[in-house]
Amino acid sequence: AQSVTQPDIHITVSEGASLELRCNYSYGATPYLFWYVQSPGQGLQLLLKYFSGDTLVQGIKGFEAEFKRSQSSFNLRKPSVHWSDAAEYFCVHTGGFKTIFGAGTRLFVKA
Amino acid sequence: NAGVTQTPKFRVLKTGQSMTLLCAQDMNHEYMYWYRQDPGMGLRLIHYSVGEGTTAKGEVPDGYNVSRLKKQNFLLGLESAAPSQTSVYFCASSDRVRDREQFFGPGTRLTVL
Repeated sequence: AQSVTQPDIHITVSEGASLELRCNYSYGATPYLFWYVQSPGQGLQLLLKYFSGDTLVQGIKGFEAEFKRSQSSFNLRKPSVHWSDAAEYFCVHTGGFKTIFGAGTRLFVKA
Repeated sequence: NAGVTQTPKFRVLKTGQSMTLLCAQDMNHEYMYWYRQDPGMGLRLIHYSVGEGTTAKGEVPDGYNVSRLKKQNFLLGLESAAPSQTSVYFCASSDRVRDREQFFGPGTRLTVL
């Protein structure tokens, strides 16, 4: 069965530090993978997506993610976190009309 | 463009009451979706629609009904609300199947007492 795992329920980083949020998926074929961000009380905003081609994808707000087929991973990274990045992040996989969300990772940013 | 809008934003129901959540999109998208979000569980698909007049069940459809009479609107109904349906409900829409990028509404927070 398809699944998306975000092993970290929450992460705390200092402002200006680097960030990596982990995502592992379970799917036989090449998946369509997304990262969304949800600020408190808001809907979800797309950060970036991967369908094929270059395995390093750039997104908005300075985020990037790398698709690694051998590790079934699609980790999200940012070199320098800003206080406004505090939010919940969801890794998402779609196949057909089946969309699977990870449980989310809540990011806290400390000054 | 308003994108995806949802009404109402908040609602409190008593057990057994009924209500309808409205989702509207102005992007001429073919596909629309209803999700519920519960703590620690991400979003789970309730129902979806691939076009006007069509609907299909998602992962957690029990206790909900939907209708897509117009392309721009997707209604989610609760016929007899239960406390287990306390959640935040999100509507989303998407266009090209290849991209499958979904655009989300701001959510409706529903509490069932």
